Amino acid sequence: EPEVTQTPSHQVTQMGQEVILRCVPISNHLYFYWYRQILGQKVEFLVSFYNNEISEKSEIFDDQFSVERPDGSNFTLKIRSTKLEDSAMYFCASSNDRGPYEQYFGPGTRLTVT
Amino acid sequence: GESVGLHLPTLSVQEGDNSIINCAYSNSASDYFIWYKQESGKGPQFIIDIRSNMDKRQGQRVTVLLNKTVKHLSLQIAATQPGDSAVYFCAENTNTGNQFYFGTGTSLTVIP
Repeated sequence: EPEVTQTPSHQVTQMGQEVILRCVPISNHLYFYWYRQILGQKVEFLVSFYNNEISEKSEIFDDQFSVERPDGSNFTLKIRSTKLEDSAMYFCASSNDRGPYEQYFGPGTRLTVT
Repeated sequence: GESVGLHLPTLSVQEGDNSIINCAYSNSASDYFIWYKQESGKGPQFIIDIRSNMDKRQGQRVTVLLNKTVKHLSLQIAATQPGDSAVYFCAENTNTGNQFYFGTGTSLTVIP
């Protein structure tokens, strides 16, 4: 069964450093998403991406965040200058339908900012 | 803003019994809902969805009920198995965009 994959599974970085989280969505999917989940809190929407551009973003997704689909398979989330409060699980998801329906999530990347 | 919450943070059931997990939402404009299952160390897994023009939808061993009058959603799992042990989230969408608002989650433990 096709699945969304994410790398690395755990990333430790120092405050102020840039990190890139990587995702490989399901191959025939057209819509891509990033979510985060701070430990013990709700899953929160960050951004959706379609046709090589951001289609929607939340208030969390400020100027320190960016997304990119550098090739036909990868979807990345870059955090430019990490803060302690960026420590969280980051989930990538993809869907092949317009809108948020039936999104398939990856296993997540745990980001720890020290 | 939108708010989705779960009534019970933990639920323990005997193997073979039915489980009911509840969710309250506050945005009356929400018209699409999903239940996700999240096992330890994994991402959320789609279980079942329902649109607001329905009040019940059934899947394999799962049923989702939607009561728009009281803004309540429930997930029923029939004949609960040990593999059902996980955290279950409800999430809502208002069909004005791609944002989902997730609940906090209910941890289901199945006792063999």
